[in-house]
Amino acid sequence: SQQGEEDPQALSIQEGENATMNCSYKTSINNLQWYRQNSGRGLVHLILIRSNEREKHSGRLRVTLDTSKKSSSLLITASRAADTASYFCATPSPSNTGKLIFGQGTTLQVKP
Amino acid sequence: DVKVTQSSRYLVKRTGEKVFLECVQDMDHENMFWYRQDPGLGLRLIYFSYDVKMKEKGDIPEGYSVSREKKERFSLILESASTNQTSMYLCASSFRGHTNEQFFGPGTRLTVL
Repeated sequence: SQQGEEDPQALSIQEGENATMNCSYKTSINNLQWYRQNSGRGLVHLILIRSNEREKHSGRLRVTLDTSKKSSSLLITASRAADTASYFCATPSPSNTGKLIFGQGTTLQVKP
Repeated sequence: DVKVTQSSRYLVKRTGEKVFLECVQDMDHENMFWYRQDPGLGLRLIYFSYDVKMKEKGDIPEGYSVSREKKERFSLILESASTNQTSMYLCASSFRGHTNEQFFGPGTRLTVL
């Protein structure tokens, strides 16, 4: 079952611009996570935001969470070519077993 | 640093072969996961293990089995490989608890001819 839906599916920007990716989910959650995947590699955890947080920062990353709209956004500021990757949101499975449900991802291309 | 390793980065097998994919983690994580990733379908959970010898089916367990005899090792077995099992296979691990991040291995690109 698909919990997280991401938008857009693909994004192409120039170096230095900001990139915004959105994630919507269906059930109540206590946290939402964002992961990054370089082409042909495994996923790497970027940031976790809890349900009682509205916004969280980590370096050039800014994540927001709106539990009333069941949505989150990931903003990458001053993007670099090295940010080219796929980005996934993930939410805990409603069964609370430690499983995560991943969105389909946004593929970001940053052109030098 | 947490390390999750997978036995092969690339693997080519023939239809009908038995295939073993191995995953090892070094952080004493209770949970281990096997996913497959296909274009347009995202990550889909095949099997999940929350303790030694304990396992739970994920969303797409058909055609797969798993083994967890030791805490650090989680194996995915394709009893009789088929062409529709050509995919990227990702292993992950995490501490028990629903807020904990998952740590991923580098992935195994399996091609079944």
